[in-house]
Amino acid sequence: ETGVTQSPTHLIKTRGQQVTLRCSSQSGHNTVSWYQQALGQGPQFIFQYYREEENGRGNFPPRFSGLQFPNYSSELNVNALELDDSALYLCASSYETGVGETQYFGPGTRLLVL
Amino acid sequence: QKEVEQDPGPLSVPEGAIVSLNCTYSNSAFQYFMWYRQYSRKGPELLMYTYSSGNKEDGRFTAQVDKSSKYISLFIRDSQPSDSATYLCAVSRQLTFGSGTQLTVLP
Repeated sequence: ETGVTQSPTHLIKTRGQQVTLRCSSQSGHNTVSWYQQALGQGPQFIFQYYREEENGRGNFPPRFSGLQFPNYSSELNVNALELDDSALYLCASSYETGVGETQYFGPGTRLLVL
Repeated sequence: QKEVEQDPGPLSVPEGAIVSLNCTYSNSAFQYFMWYRQYSRKGPELLMYTYSSGNKEDGRFTAQVDKSSKYISLFIRDSQPSDSATYLCAVSRQLTFGSGTQLTVLP
């Protein structure tokens, strides 16, 4: 176990709704990254937060937004859900963003959009 | 062209076989190379991490990076049924993943 936890484990929403996913980082880690993993694909980078500031973003629209809190836990918010948003959402925590860091993944939240 | 290309498999081998998993990448600036293992309905688990070129060994696992050909490999010796999973290569700090290779080791 990595020490990274995510909630909820599963979620069903309908198109157009909004969703908030949560991630608790491994102790001592101050960086969190979010990924979307469609079925049969590798994870795709959504964005990263370092010390409560966004520190890089992948090719995802603005309706994907995030927050990192002072305790380094994090949220991923997705507005105006679309059917293609159905995926496993993974968060990964790491210490710093400097040379040699590695990321440790949580178990993911499986989102189904109907 | 995708930044990271990985043969999706699936790959099926008998127990005890040597497994070779491979990825190619497009950006010569990449310096960090990782292999993750992902069991069904779980998050990826870091297996091997290499900075720049060369080999790294950890038990039955060996990771190789050839920056001249932009080719990364993971070898699994004496494969076990418990190695059955999807293996993902990843490059760079903000991880760019391949699509994963599904491996089944048959007892």
